[in-house]
Amino acid sequence: DVKVTQSSRYLVKRTGEKVFLECVQDMDHENMFWYRQDPGLGLRLIYFSYDVKMKEKGDIPEGYSVSREKKERFSLILESASTNQTSMYLCASSPPQVPSGNTIYFGEGSWLTVV
Amino acid sequence: GQNIDQPTEMTATEGAIVQINCTYQTSGFNGLFWYQQHAGEAPTFLSYNVLDGLEEKGRFSSFLSRSKGYSYLLLKELQMKDSASYLCAVEEVTGGGNKLTFGTGTQLKVEL
Repeated sequence: DVKVTQSSRYLVKRTGEKVFLECVQDMDHENMFWYRQDPGLGLRLIYFSYDVKMKEKGDIPEGYSVSREKKERFSLILESASTNQTSMYLCASSPPQVPSGNTIYFGEGSWLTVV
Repeated sequence: GQNIDQPTEMTATEGAIVQINCTYQTSGFNGLFWYQQHAGEAPTFLSYNVLDGLEEKGRFSSFLSRSKGYSYLLLKELQMKDSASYLCAVEEVTGGGNKLTFGTGTQLKVEL
């Protein structure tokens, strides 16, 4: 059974803390994505990666960075957490073929609260 | 960049048919997805269209017109469990790989 695992389901962090959200997939997928989801705004793409050590900015990269040192792991980093980064974060992965069809898989989500 | 529009909310009656529209503007179009998302859960895949026309899958159908930048999701024989958010997402081929961008979602409420 395919799996995208996000390390933490619920986190509470203080303003200014450095936060790591980890995502691991076991499907040998090239593409990995980080989204955040907020009421009324839908899923917004933060960063994505199409290969190890490669990263591309999504629509809202400000305040975030990412790391893809290994193919199976894609980390989202909040260098200095702020309250407006309180959100639900979703990781996803997909194989590289064009088109990717229905082969995008989501993790279960990480709810981050910054106080 | 992309611009994806869908209605914010819709209400329909159990047993009825509902159509959720999605319009988009994008370069490098590579397909359109529909996802269902229940509160507190990750999105689940419903349908994928890359060519013009209708794709039918049980009670759900999805239509695409590439020239018009338009898609709809059709839900028949509505059930209470269909109450959820429905997300339209467009896949775009970029120089840096495939990118999937979502609309804000349509919250569907099914009533008795």
